[in-house]
Amino acid sequence: DAKTTQPPSMDCAEGRAANLPCNHSTISGNEYVYWYRQIHSQGPQYIIHGLKNNETNEMASLIITEDRKSSTLILPHATLRDTAVYYCIVRVGSAAGNKLTFGGGTRVLVKP
Amino acid sequence: GAVVSQHPSWVICKSGTSVKIECRSLDFQATTMFWYRQFPKQSLMLMATSNEGSKATYEQGVEKDKFLINHASLTLSTLTVTSAHPEDSSFYICSAQGHGANVLTFGAGSRLTVL
Repeated sequence: DAKTTQPPSMDCAEGRAANLPCNHSTISGNEYVYWYRQIHSQGPQYIIHGLKNNETNEMASLIITEDRKSSTLILPHATLRDTAVYYCIVRVGSAAGNKLTFGGGTRVLVKP
Repeated sequence: GAVVSQHPSWVICKSGTSVKIECRSLDFQATTMFWYRQFPKQSLMLMATSNEGSKATYEQGVEKDKFLINHASLTLSTLTVTSAHPEDSSFYICSAQGHGANVLTFGAGSRLTVL
């Protein structure tokens, strides 16, 4: 799987949008970008994923650059409960047998 | 939505004993499940891929005789830590994905403490 690069940490203000960058410059054409987050001492929680088009769901928006070498996860209105480690992962395909390989992630602290 | 359940959520055992952790897909069938390990302040590390009805595939550096994986049904995979030692103390997490789905769902994790 392609390696991803994320900033190790970032702070954001409660109620503001949080923009989390991810670099995946060696991504291949069949690799998807997945975002998960892990709140302390819990299992990872799926947020969103995409191949090349921008995606939005009830949790977040995913913006993928046209060359697919980077992406940004947007939490539109951060709350204190969004404090977590956010992982950007590139995965070969989306089939059940395809594994997820985690990198270091970004530790996000939402402050009042 | 898809739910993955792990049991126990936490366990304390004495050094030299074996511990079994269960991973169940509650509302879907999974031919493949993944086991991860996470040490404090570190990321998740993939240990092995559990395949229903066949042998597990272990990642490089993971001892297959130490971490026994059994995937006897489409809804259950077990990880047994044999002859556990304090250095095996960790957070063990499993994940699974149903056929036709495109998202891996993770369990809540099992925290193992070996005294």
